[in-house]
Amino acid sequence: AQSVTQLGSHVSVSEGALVLLRCNYSSSVPPYLFWYVQYPNQGLQLLLKYTSAATLVKGINGFEAEFKKSETSFHLTKPSAHMSDAAEYFCAVSGRGGGNKLTFGTGTQLKVEL
Amino acid sequence: EAGVAQSPRYKIIEKRQSVAFWCNPISGHATLYWYQQILGQGPKLLIQFQNNGVVDDSQLPKDRFSAERLKGVDSTLKIQPAKLEDSAVYLCASSLEGLAGNYEQYFGPGTRLTVT
Repeated sequence: AQSVTQLGSHVSVSEGALVLLRCNYSSSVPPYLFWYVQYPNQGLQLLLKYTSAATLVKGINGFEAEFKKSETSFHLTKPSAHMSDAAEYFCAVSGRGGGNKLTFGTGTQLKVEL
Repeated sequence: EAGVAQSPRYKIIEKRQSVAFWCNPISGHATLYWYQQILGQGPKLLIQFQNNGVVDDSQLPKDRFSAERLKGVDSTLKIQPAKLEDSAVYLCASSLEGLAGNYEQYFGPGTRLTVT
């Protein structure tokens, strides 16, 4: 069974500081990995996805994530936080050939302070 | 292009009552998903349809939950009777395809259900 673990349910950064949201996966086969963002009272929006084409994946709004097989990690980063980045972020995994089912982590609430 | 539509946005019912949620996916999307998101948790897949057939309903509590996608387009999720622990946001999503594992899922705004 596949799963993801997000370390830190709440992360607080200053505006302009580095954003680092952690995600570790567990999968018996190379997975597909995703980061979604959820703003209050809205659905989830895809930030980026890893499908094995490249280990460093660039997404929308200046976010990127690096797939590290040796560490079973897929951490999300952004060099400079903006107030508009305040939201909840979910890491998710799906399998290859087993359908498109997403298994989500528990989420990380990002707070951006002035 | 219109996104995934869901209604109602909010619903409050008493336990043991029934409730139904509606979802209209993005036009042309073959795969439709219903997720349950309990406060403080990530979404959990309840059921996945490919056109009008069920691909995965392994986590759907079938004694009280049912879902259908009769014409392979819009879908209805029903709970009867509701329990307090069913309080959650119910998210509908759709994707072009749903068998390969790497297709982007597009989410609707969700229906927030409160069971009192």
